[in-house]
Order: sequence, then C-alpha cells, then structure tokens
Amino acid sequence: QVQLVESGGGVVQPGRSLRLSCVVSGFTFNNYPMHWVRQAPGKGLQWVVTISYDGTNTNYADSVKGRFTISRDNSKNTLDLQMSSLRVEDTAVYYCARDAFTGRILGWYFDLWGRGTLVTVSS
Amino acid sequence: SYDLTQPPSVSVSPGQTASITCSGDNLGSKYVWWYQLKPGQSPVLVIYQDSKRPSGIPERLSGSNSGNTATLTISGTQAMDEADYYCQALDSSTVVFGGGTKLTVL
Repeated sequence: QVQLVESGGGVVQPGRSLRLSCVVSGFTFNNYPMHWVRQAPGKGLQWVVTISYDGTNTNYADSVKGRFTISRDNSKNTLDLQMSSLRVEDTAVYYCARDAFTGRILGWYFDLWGRGTLVTVSS
Repeated sequence: SYDLTQPPSVSVSPGQTASITCSGDNLGSKYVWWYQLKPGQSPVLVIYQDSKRPSGIPERLSGSNSGNTATLTISGTQAMDEADYYCQALDSSTVVFGGGTKLTVL
C-alpha cells in the first residue's frame, strides 16, 4: 500500500524546536525527491522545503531558511524536518509530499501526500 | 514574489458546471497543477501540466491555461466534489500556491 505517514507534531513554545518525521511505504523511496508543505489554520497551502532523491540538494522557502532543516534516510524510508527557533506563524498542519518525478529531475509538483501532522507554536 | 489569485468561494448546483480560476502574471507560460483538499484527508492531485488528469480522476474534471488565467472546470458537479481547490505553479525554483477556492455544491 502506497502511503506517507507523518508524525512528531504537537504543541511547542516559541523559540523551541521540534522534529517531524514521515515514514513512507509502497514505493521506492530513494527514487523520489520529497517535499514538506504546510497549511496554517484557515489559510492556504505553503511550500516549505524540497530535498533531492539522494539528499544532496535542498531548497527552502525564505520564511524557514536558516531555521528548518530537511533530511532523509533512504535506508529507513524516512523523511525528517528539524524545526528550530519556532514562531507562532509556523503553526500549521505539515504535510509530507512526494515529487511526481523520479531521479535528478524535479517535477516540482506533488502526486502523493500524507495526512499531515499538526504543529502548534504557542506560549 | 509571484502571486496566484483564486476566488475564495464558488457555488454550484448539482449537475451544473463549476469553474475555478487561478490568475497570475503571464501564467500561460508556466505549468499549472490543481489539488483537491477535503477535511481530514490527504490532498489529491487532480490536474497536472495544465490539463492532464492523473489516473483515477474523473473525466468531469478538466483544466486549461492561457494568458494570465488557468481554469479548473468541473462538469456535472457532484456532491463529492465539494472541497477546497488549490492551483500551483513554479516560479524560479519556488513553488507557489493560490489562496484556495472553497467549492460548495448547493
């Protein structure tokens, strides 16, 4: 069964850190670039970060650059997002999403998504 | 930064045609993708590369893109089509989403 399952969300104070994980199954994880996309309460979708199929290249939205770090472990089929210096405006449901292309070429769109994990940044 | 504009809401009667627009500067020169979001569910890609349907997406959903506007059209709208729809484009290796449109089937 093809699926992506996010975990690690919760309530955290501003300035603190949190690590999200996404475990995938049902497809060859190490073939695909991966992304994190978020949706703040009552707001639209916002792309957060992209990582290449082999983890050597990353691309961050300006709003999280320098605070968030994406990584992947292709031996464990996991994608992680380390979030530091969290702000109230980082409150959102965070989705793990698969790129529609494989290998070195990015499609820059998402053909498979998880159900998301909620991160709430509040004092 | 590049902006995509969608109407916040669109209403349609069952069986009628719904059109959801997405506007951006010279958007027709870019690919547009569309996603459907329902509460508590994973987002679903419904249109890619302007007008192509992924496997499993009904033929009543179609897309077009020209000039400054992309359009998602749902023909013969059904109650199950009620959802939020987001357009997406790419600008200088940055993914951009529209603000989303809530489709209500009355």
